[in-house]
Amino acid sequence: EVQLVESGGGLVQPGGSLRLSCAASGFSINTYSMNWVRQAPGKGLEWISYISGSSSTIYYADSVKGRFTISRENAENSLYLQMDSLRAEDTAVYYCARDRSSIFGVVIPYFDYWGQGALVTVSS
Amino acid sequence: SYVLTQPPSVSVAPGKTARITCGGNNIGSKSVHWYQQRPGQAPVLVINYDSDRPSGIPERFSGSNSGNTATLTISRVEAGDEADYYCQVWDGNNDHVVFGGGTKLTVL
Repeated sequence: EVQLVESGGGLVQPGGSLRLSCAASGFSINTYSMNWVRQAPGKGLEWISYISGSSSTIYYADSVKGRFTISRENAENSLYLQMDSLRAEDTAVYYCARDRSSIFGVVIPYFDYWGQGALVTVSS
Repeated sequence: SYVLTQPPSVSVAPGKTARITCGGNNIGSKSVHWYQQRPGQAPVLVINYDSDRPSGIPERFSGSNSGNTATLTISRVEAGDEADYYCQVWDGNNDHVVFGGGTKLTVL
């Protein structure tokens, strides 16, 4: 069974840092591109970052570029999101999501599996 | 950047057909994917590549995409279909994934 489990969320002060992890099971992440998507309280979905299977291609949303860093460790079947210079508007549930299109060798991401989400609250 | 526009809400009686639209400039030239999100849960893919249903998604869910509008159609709506629905595309010009603002489906 495919599972994605996020961890590392919590309360952090503005300007602080946090690192999210996403542990995958039931499949090998090295054959898939992976993404982070967030959802602020009561708001819609916002894509924030993409990383290819080999880590050779990385994309970020403008709202987090220069502050967040996506990475992966295929040997550990894990995905990460390092979040620095956090702001109140970064408060959200953060989901990791598997990109189904990557197995077809194309970059037209869509997400067939999602984790349950990790809540990040940025507040003083 | 590319923008997807969805109606904030759609209401439908049980057993009727719900149609949720997703507008975008020449969206018919892109592949559109749809997600269902029930309260407190993670999103679930219900339609990919405009009209394909992933395994386990009821045949009542269908999709179409042409011109400037993509549509998610839910036939014979049930109470369990009440959820938020999001459309999504890939904006290759900016290398960004784009989501619509979401539509709350209410089953009357």
